[in-house]
Amino acid sequence: QKEVEQNSGPLSVPEGAIASLNCTYSDRGSQSFFWYRQYSGKSPELIMFIYSNGDKEDGRFTAQLNKASQYVSLLIRDSQPSDSATYLCAAGDSSYKLIFGSGTRLLVRP
Amino acid sequence: DTAVSQTPKYLVTQMGNDKSIKCEQNLGHDTMYWYKQDSKKFLKIMFSYNNKELIINETVPNRFSPKSPDKAHLNLHINSLELGDSAVYFCASTRTGVNTEAFFGQGTRLTVV
Repeated sequence: QKEVEQNSGPLSVPEGAIASLNCTYSDRGSQSFFWYRQYSGKSPELIMFIYSNGDKEDGRFTAQLNKASQYVSLLIRDSQPSDSATYLCAAGDSSYKLIFGSGTRLLVRP
Repeated sequence: DTAVSQTPKYLVTQMGNDKSIKCEQNLGHDTMYWYKQDSKKFLKIMFSYNNKELIINETVPNRFSPKSPDKAHLNLHINSLELGDSAVYFCASTRTGVNTEAFFGQGTRLTVV
């Protein structure tokens, strides 16, 4: 069974700190990886996607992918209270299937 | 304009009833999905259709039957509702391809009493 695993948290960081969210996946056939943010009672919204090994930066967000270790991470610099949400990691393969982890709850303390 | 829209947003019903959730996307995407999110926030894929053809059918009770009249619509019908069906159901759509993001509807919170 293909799985994506995340620590459920909560991960608590002070405002202005770097939040580091991690994710591992079991299927070596996974080709693309996504980070979604979900506020309570809302639908998931895409923050970033990555499909090549290394880092990808977009504003305060950096996604990192290590296919050899089957590991994906999301760094949030200068964390803000508005970043408090559940962050979902997802892995996609060529079969159209997008497998989600259970999410990590992030709390940014003012 | 809402990209992926689901109706209803809330659904409260008694055990044993039959209910439907509708989903429509105006993004021109070819692939649509139904996901179930339980109380622990775990998003589990249920079904996927590509150009009206069923391509993913996870281990879901056959009380759940998806229907795609065209590639812009994917509805979910649930027969004989059970307490354990209570969850938030999300519809999503993507373009065909591997590295494409999924756009989600606002979710339907189903409560079975």
